[in-house]
Amino acid sequence: AQKITQTQPGMFVQEKEAVTLDCTYDTSDPSYGLFWYKQPSSGEMIFLIYQGSYDQQNATEGRYSLNFQKARKSANLVISASQLGDSAMYFCAMRGNSGNTPLVFGKGTRLSVIA
Amino acid sequence: DSGVTQTPKHLITATGQRVTLRCSPRSGDLSVYWYQQSLDQGLQFLIQYYNGEERAKGNILERFSAQQFPDLHSELNLSSLELGDSALYFCASSVAGDLTGEQFFGPGTRLTVL
Repeated sequence: AQKITQTQPGMFVQEKEAVTLDCTYDTSDPSYGLFWYKQPSSGEMIFLIYQGSYDQQNATEGRYSLNFQKARKSANLVISASQLGDSAMYFCAMRGNSGNTPLVFGKGTRLSVIA
Repeated sequence: DSGVTQTPKHLITATGQRVTLRCSPRSGDLSVYWYQQSLDQGLQFLIQYYNGEERAKGNILERFSAQQFPDLHSELNLSSLELGDSALYFCASSVAGDLTGEQFFGPGTRLTVL
């Protein structure tokens, strides 16, 4: 079974600062994928970034980067130069083995960006 | 816009009733997933279909059922509704053979049971 743990229910960050959202995972699958999704107050789920368990480099997408530490089973999301529009719920998720498997989500972190 | 459509956007109904939620995946996506997001349970996987066949089952109640039709759209049927079924129901789709497994989410259907 897979499990995702997000220990920060809420975070505050000053506009233009960087922020790290924590995510640890547990799985017995040798191959897996890790995802981050953003859910603004409007409710939709927006895909941000993906990291494969065998990827040698940490994933980056614009202002988003994933700090992947396989031995520690952590996949923290780093948002650089925070913007007011980054205020939202952020979910870490994983899937095991193959591509067509369901996602397991953490409970989420609510990020609030302060002007 | 993810390309996944869900109808209706909002649904208000009474306890004991039955409702049907509809999802159209992105063009070409064969897999459809249903998730339930509630305040107490968070985001939970309910059921997955792949090219018309049930592929995986999660925490789906016996009162709930789903199917995927030949045109690949999917419906989630919720019956004998209870107050606790009030939640945001998401449909997601993914590409067959995409090893990343990225799932594209629809806008969700917000179900309120009174």
